[in-house]
Amino acid sequence: AQSVTQPDIHITVSEGASLELRCNYSYGATPYLFWYVQSPGQGLQLLLKYFSGDTLVQGIKGFEAEFKRSQSSFNLRKPSVHWSDAAEYFCAVDPGSARQLTFGSGTQLTVLP
Amino acid sequence: DADVTQTPRNRITKTGKRIMLECSQTKGHDRMYWYRQDPGLGLRLIYYSFDVKDINKGEISDGYSVSRQAQAKFSLSLESAIPNQTALYFCATSDPGQGVGELFFGEGSRLTVL
Repeated sequence: AQSVTQPDIHITVSEGASLELRCNYSYGATPYLFWYVQSPGQGLQLLLKYFSGDTLVQGIKGFEAEFKRSQSSFNLRKPSVHWSDAAEYFCAVDPGSARQLTFGSGTQLTVLP
Repeated sequence: DADVTQTPRNRITKTGKRIMLECSQTKGHDRMYWYRQDPGLGLRLIYYSFDVKDINKGEISDGYSVSRQAQAKFSLSLESAIPNQTALYFCATSDPGQGVGELFFGEGSRLTVL
């Protein structure tokens, strides 16, 4: 079955440490891939997206993600986390229908001072 | 003012009541969506509309209905609310010209059904 998996429900890191959030998908072809962030009490905001081409994509707020076809993964990374990065992060996939997105279950990020 | 506005932001109601959540947007986008967010389940699509005459069911449309009154307005109704419809509801818009799947979200409507 087609699916989007975020294996980590909750991650805690110290401020200044590096971060990697995992996302795996199960679709027949390479889908369009997205990462969104939800700050407390807010709607979701797009961090970055991958359609084709360079497999390392840059986003806002210093985030980047790497698409690995062989692993069906699209992991989000940040070299140095700031306290303001504490939020919930969602991976999302469009299998190519251009009609709707399927979201993962989310990863809650806590940043320690 | 927000580009995508949802009202009400919070609502507590009782089982069996009819509830309407409203969404309006000033982004000029044709596509509008209603999602439901539950802890541990992410966001699930309820309904989506590509224009005022094009409305489609999403993954979890049972128990919900929608109305697209104009390009800028898309309402979600619960005809007879039940407790397991307690959730955070999001309206979103998109414009295909700005890329596949780039959604712009409202701030959410938190619904509690007692």
